[in-house]
Amino acid sequence: DAGVTQSPTHLIKTRGQHVTLRCSPISGHKSVSWYQQVLGQGPQFIFQYYEKEERGRGNFPDRFSARQFPNYSSELNVNALLLGDSALYLCASSLGRTAIYSPLHFGNGTRLTVT
Amino acid sequence: AQSVTQLDSQVPVFEEAPVELRCNYSSSVSVYLFWYVQYPNQGLQLLLKYLSGSTLVESINGFEAEFNKSQTSFHLRKPSVHISDTAEYFCAVSVALNTGFQKLVFGTGTRLLVSP
Repeated sequence: DAGVTQSPTHLIKTRGQHVTLRCSPISGHKSVSWYQQVLGQGPQFIFQYYEKEERGRGNFPDRFSARQFPNYSSELNVNALLLGDSALYLCASSLGRTAIYSPLHFGNGTRLTVT
Repeated sequence: AQSVTQLDSQVPVFEEAPVELRCNYSSSVSVYLFWYVQYPNQGLQLLLKYLSGSTLVESINGFEAEFNKSQTSFHLRKPSVHISDTAEYFCAVSVALNTGFQKLVFGTGTRLLVSP
């Protein structure tokens, strides 16, 4: 079975632009979470979606938004890009509602560079 | 708020030597702890987790971690490391959201460098 797939793998954008990152979960997984990993840091929680509804949001500005589609794939959108948005964006899917009993499976991420 | 602290940013070790990667968590009534590994240019993979019960948890590739409530620690150990263990290791704690769901809060990571 395919793992979590993310596209694109790399992306270079200019300050002020908009970006859309995509994630396809493992087949059958209904939960998708997004994490931001700045170089040298641990991943930080951005969003969780379960059954197409937002179930959690981290401490990120409103420039960050996301959605989950009927096929459980997900998009992360970032508007008005700042240099500080440069990071590896990780998508994780899981079968159930929580990572406690339903392990998170991470994709390889999208490396976003903002110049 | 619940958090984890990884005191060592980098741990160099020789092949076949033992290693310990340290993780301390902020005290809580109930705590769920995880270790994830990240190989270069890849996402994170779950290594092991502590939910309840036995304080010693093991992974399939020889790593183990011990939950120590009195010292609020969840250190990761391996008695003999391989070159292939070279990676970034993240300790994480599950934190409740106000929606009833959970998020993972990660430490800053420890880079394990195994040399011949």
